[in-house]
Amino acid sequence: KAGVTQTPRYLIKTRGQQVTLSCSPISGHRSVSWYQQTPGQGLQFLFEYFSETQRNKGNFPGRFSGRQFSNSRSEMNVSTLELGDSALYLCASSLAGRGGGDYEQYFGPGTRLTVT
Amino acid sequence: AQSVTQPDIHITVSEGASLELRCNYSYGATPYLFWYVQSPGQGLQLLLKYFSGDTLVQGIKGFEAEFKRSQSSFNLRKPSVHWSDAAEYFCAVGARGATNKLIFGTGTLLAVQP
Repeated sequence: KAGVTQTPRYLIKTRGQQVTLSCSPISGHRSVSWYQQTPGQGLQFLFEYFSETQRNKGNFPGRFSGRQFSNSRSEMNVSTLELGDSALYLCASSLAGRGGGDYEQYFGPGTRLTVT
Repeated sequence: AQSVTQPDIHITVSEGASLELRCNYSYGATPYLFWYVQSPGQGLQLLLKYFSGDTLVQGIKGFEAEFKRSQSSFNLRKPSVHWSDAAEYFCAVGARGATNKLIFGTGTLLAVQP
């Protein structure tokens, strides 16, 4: 079974631009979560989508948004990029679950975003 | 609030030596606990998980972890470390409620000396 895929793997953008990252979950997985990883803040939860609905959201500004499609693929968008948005963005997928972490989450390799 | 603490930022062990990585959590009920490993430039790989039952859980790559409710700990152990174990290790707890959100510790970077 194919794992979680994320595209693109690397991205360089300029301040003020916007960016869209894509995540394809494991086949059959309906929950997709996004995390931002930086050396200073570590791994921080951005949001989770389940059956095309945002189920939970982390403490990030409104510039960060996401969506999920009917095939469970998900995208996240960051508008008006800032230097501090440079990070590794990780996507994770899991079976539906009741929540509370009762199902394993499988992570993709991440998208490395550099904002200059 | 739910939180995870990994007190050791960086650990160096010799190849063949035993390893214990510490993890403490704050959670009001029985938590779901995880250990993940991340190699440079890679995503996170699940090593093992604790949901319920036996408090000693076995994972991949020869790792094990023990859930100790009285100490709010979930330490990761390996009896003999291999050079390929050098990586960053993250402990995580599943958040409460109808969500798959994970709350991660800050990670422990493991270096292995020959």
